[in-house]
Amino acid sequence: GENVEQHPSTLSVQEGDSAVIKCTYSDSASNYFPWYKQELGKRPQLIIDIRSNVGEKKDQRIAVTLNKTAKHFSLHITETQPEDSAVYFCAANYQLIWGAGTKLIIKP
Amino acid sequence: DAGVIQSPRHEVTEMGQEVTLRCKPISGHDYLFWYRQTMMRGLELLIYFNNNVPIDDSGMPEDRFSAKMPNASFSTLKIQPSEPRDSAVYFCASTVGRAYEQYFGPGTRLTVT
Repeated sequence: GENVEQHPSTLSVQEGDSAVIKCTYSDSASNYFPWYKQELGKRPQLIIDIRSNVGEKKDQRIAVTLNKTAKHFSLHITETQPEDSAVYFCAANYQLIWGAGTKLIIKP
Repeated sequence: DAGVIQSPRHEVTEMGQEVTLRCKPISGHDYLFWYRQTMMRGLELLIYFNNNVPIDDSGMPEDRFSAKMPNASFSTLKIQPSEPRDSAVYFCASTVGRAYEQYFGPGTRLTVT
């Protein structure tokens, strides 16, 4: 069946460094790729998304890149800050299939 | 708009009891999703509705779970009978389309003892 693989499951980076999370999907029909952030004890919230007609999208320190040929998309966070600590989820197949999540830890 | 509203926020019940979780989506949104989140299984899509009609319930774990959406402003997720392994946070989310941002409610933390 369709699936989304998300890596790594846990990522620990030094404050100020960059973090990259990658998702690989299997459904060729997918054309919308969102990233959600979930802080501890809170609800998931969209932080950035990309559609298949573009290869990259940026919003301040956050960027998403998409490679439709290889069927993967990545979340890039630069100049990480303590408030970036959270669990990040990707989704594909029109948000019907979600990655397992990546716990991002920012070390002071 | 107040956002997606869920009730109750916390529910503690005994095994075997019926549990009903409620959700009010954002006005104008025609898609509604129910999710379950646990440490072991992550975020799982249970069922989703479009224009009040259930479209895909393949994520519903078993017949003890049922969901309804009698109108555009209300949905319920029912568990009968409940079991300890149903303990989780249940989220409801709504959106204007499957390829658009989902707005999540605050969640209902269910504990079955």
